[in-house]
Amino acid sequence: SQTIHQWPATLVQPVGSPLSLECTVEGTSNPNLYWYRQAAGRGLQLLFYSVGIGQISSEVPQNLSASRPQDRQFILSSKKLLLSDSGFYLCAWSKPTGLGEKLFFGSGTQLSVL
Amino acid sequence: GENVEQHPSTLSVQEGDSAVIKCTYSDSASNYFPWYKQELGKGPQLIIDIRSNVGEKKDQRIAVTLNKTAKHFSLHITETQPEDSAVYFCAAIGGGSYIPTFGRGTSLIVHP
Repeated sequence: SQTIHQWPATLVQPVGSPLSLECTVEGTSNPNLYWYRQAAGRGLQLLFYSVGIGQISSEVPQNLSASRPQDRQFILSSKKLLLSDSGFYLCAWSKPTGLGEKLFFGSGTQLSVL
Repeated sequence: GENVEQHPSTLSVQEGDSAVIKCTYSDSASNYFPWYKQELGKGPQLIIDIRSNVGEKKDQRIAVTLNKTAKHFSLHITETQPEDSAVYFCAAIGGGSYIPTFGRGTSLIVHP
């Protein structure tokens, strides 16, 4: 069966510090991978998605970047965090046969920038 | 692009009552409509979905209906239980863009 791992679960970082959130998927090959952010505990904002190694599409211009160094690894990064980067970050994957259908989400990372 | 409106934003019911959450979409080419349930501090989980060639789908106490002509779809939960309390998201996909467009979510509160 397929599983998705996302860590850390919680993170408190000072403004201006770097960020690295990691997500890995097991049990499938060539998944589509996604990073979402939730602010104020509600809406899902798509940040990045990837259909293959090194292929990153950005949905919202911002202080963040994403990379996919391996087939089942997706990393969200920032060189200098802003207060507005606080939120709940979710990684997700879907089968390679169709973007977006049946998303499987990780357990999320609660990021607080102070 | 696609636009999905979800109502209500908050729904409070008594245990045993039914709950209905409604979504409308704008792109008539959308053909896949999933529903996700998000419990506090966790990632959303798919609970039911429907495709545009089907009008209704049931899974135990939950059901989804789709009206393609009116471009709206609804989630129905019967005999609600406290463990149904969560945020529910609808989404629409298709029409050339394979990235799901999510509604803003409904916070369902089931009072014992």
